Amino acid sequence: IAGITQAPTSQILAAGRRMTLRCTQDMRHNAMYWYRQDLGLGLRLIHYSNTAGTTGKGEVPDGYSVSRANTDDFPLTLASAVPSQTSVYFCASSDLPGGSGGELFFGEGSRLTVL
Amino acid sequence: GQNIDQPTEMTATEGAIVQINCTYQTSGFNGLFWYQQHAGEAPTFLSYNVLDGLEEKGRFSSFLSRSKGYSYLLLKELQMKDSASYLCASNAGNNRKLIWGLGTSLAVNP
Repeated sequence: IAGITQAPTSQILAAGRRMTLRCTQDMRHNAMYWYRQDLGLGLRLIHYSNTAGTTGKGEVPDGYSVSRANTDDFPLTLASAVPSQTSVYFCASSDLPGGSGGELFFGEGSRLTVL
Repeated sequence: GQNIDQPTEMTATEGAIVQINCTYQTSGFNGLFWYQQHAGEAPTFLSYNVLDGLEEKGRFSSFLSRSKGYSYLLLKELQMKDSASYLCASNAGNNRKLIWGLGTSLAVNP
């Protein structure tokens, strides 16, 4: 079944550790996104990529980095995790950039707890 | 900045009709999305409105008024499975990124 896959689904991490959340889509979508979702704050864009080889910063990029070496993969890295990065992380993709009307397809989410 | 406003919570009865409102800032507006998110799951796309008027998709309809900066999602013949959070998102601004509301948590009671 075509779609978007995230891993891990859940992780507990010690503060200061490095962590990479993986995201892969097989729909050949151009645009990909990483969001975090926190109670009372909604979905907030961390980083995005409109096409392979390009990335951009969202609303809350500090402490996170991304790469887009190819169309399918868009990993999110926390270089040195802090407790405020405890959240549910959603990867999403769209054929058109979301800001241009493209429907977003979301992964199932990665629940990250930083202690 | 760009703001999206929608009610935090709503309650309705199975079989009834409910309307979830969303207001947004009109500057640079290009279109409006509605997504459904069940607890513990990912958001899923419901609708996208660019032009004024009502678009119907089965039990769900979405309305847009560009001049008023207003949209609503109408859910008919409510079912228990419609209990979820409904997210409004506008497509606005020079960078064309989505601006998300905080979601409306709908509880459907028997």
